[in-house]
Amino acid sequence: QKEVEQDPGPLSVPEGAIVSLNCTYSNSAFQYFMWYRQYSRKGPELLMYTYSSGNKEDGRFTAQVDKSSKYISLFIRDSQPSDSATYLCAMVNNNDMRFGAGTRLTVKP
Amino acid sequence: DSGVTQTPKHLITATGQRVTLRCSPRSGDLSVYWYQQSLDQGLQFLIQYYNGEERAKGNILERFSAQQFPDLHSELNLSSLELGDSALYFCASSAPGLAGSETQYFGPGTRLLVL
Repeated sequence: QKEVEQDPGPLSVPEGAIVSLNCTYSNSAFQYFMWYRQYSRKGPELLMYTYSSGNKEDGRFTAQVDKSSKYISLFIRDSQPSDSATYLCAMVNNNDMRFGAGTRLTVKP
Repeated sequence: DSGVTQTPKHLITATGQRVTLRCSPRSGDLSVYWYQQSLDQGLQFLIQYYNGEERAKGNILERFSAQQFPDLHSELNLSSLELGDSALYFCASSAPGLAGSETQYFGPGTRLLVL
C-alpha cells in the first residue's frame, strides 16, 4: 500500500461544476498538507497549504483535512477551463515529503 | 514564475552518458530539493540539501549524485544513463521555517531524454 493514495483520473467536468479531489494517507505522522497544480510541461505550483484538521478557503478553492480519517480534499467551485491541470496532493512529516500520483482534471467549456 | 530556475530545459543524450542538471533557488531560500517525474512513477523525491549540506535522501539511485554550492545553487549529476532515466527532473526550493513546514516552490523542470 502506498503512503499516499490519489485517484489519477482522468476527471472531466463541465465549466461551472464543483470539483472534488481527494487523497488518503496511511502515516498518521503527516503534519502538513498541500495541494499543487501542475499544468502540462510545467513545474508544480503551490495552491493550498494547511496544517490542522478543518477547512481552509482561498477564492474558489477550499482545502479540507480530516486527520482522524486520514483524508484530505480539494474543492474547486465554479470550475473554469483554465483549471484544467493535474492536481497533486502532498504531505510532510518533518523533512519527509510525499506526493500523491496526481489527478488529471479537464474542465470543458 | 516561482523564482526557481533550472537549466537546461531539454536534454537529449545517449545511454551510458553523464549529464549535469543545474538549479538556482529563489533568493533567500536555503533548501533545494530534487525530484524525478515520470509517467509511470509520478513525482519521486530524490534528495534535499540545506545550506550546502545533505539533509534528506529519497529514492535516489547510486548513479545519481547532487551537491549544493556556497552560492546555494545546486547540481544533479546523472551518470551511466539508462533509457529508464528519461523523465522530467524538477528542482524546488524553500525558505527556512519550522521543521517540516517549509513550502516548496518548483522550477520549470529539465526534460531528459535518453536514447
